[in-house]
Amino acid sequence: QVQLVESGGGVVQPGRSLRLSCAASGFTFSSYSMHWVRQAPGKGLEWVAVISYDGSNKFYADSVKGRFTISRDNSKNTLYLQMDSLRAEDTAVYYCARVTAQRAVADAFDIWGQGTVVTVSS
Amino acid sequence: DIQMTQSPSTLSASVGDRVTITCRASQSIGRWLAWYQQKPGKAPKLLIYKASSLESGVPSRFSGSGSGTEFTLTISSLQPDDFATYYCQQCNTYWVTFGGGTKVEIK
Repeated sequence: QVQLVESGGGVVQPGRSLRLSCAASGFTFSSYSMHWVRQAPGKGLEWVAVISYDGSNKFYADSVKGRFTISRDNSKNTLYLQMDSLRAEDTAVYYCARVTAQRAVADAFDIWGQGTVVTVSS
Repeated sequence: DIQMTQSPSTLSASVGDRVTITCRASQSIGRWLAWYQQKPGKAPKLLIYKASSLESGVPSRFSGSGSGTEFTLTISSLQPDDFATYYCQQCNTYWVTFGGGTKVEIK
């Protein structure tokens, strides 16, 4: 079935790095733009980054610009989020999500992963 | 950036009530508005896309309306499974933004 599975979360010290992965299955991964969304404990949803279906376009929230890098490997059906210079305020559940329509510039998110927890603490 | 403002932030209601949640965009987004339901410890679930289109498998008691800058999500008859937090999202551009959320609680 159509599925996204995140991995790579954990506890990390401030200033260190972490790489999240999102493995896709059940659909043609290379045809869909993909996003990362996070949710701090007890807070709402915050969009983090997007990458177009072919990897040619990438955009970031101001809160992570210059520190996080989104990428994808369409041959491995996998989305990544490289997180550098982590801060306490990056502590959150990180979700990957697929847009609804193939090759869409922008659209709703119809498929979400289960989330992976990132805790930044000394 | 486009700001999304949801109201109310909390709503107390009873089973069978008609419930309406409002979402306002800081600039026109056409009909590029989605609604999600989230339960504790779970990922968000898409309910409505393009302002009024019902996602497959979502009960018909959920409906959406609006365009431009003002949108509403309506639950026609609240069911026990509907107590959750609801978020609107503008998807007019690649860089989406979410509303602050509306928690629907049992009265």
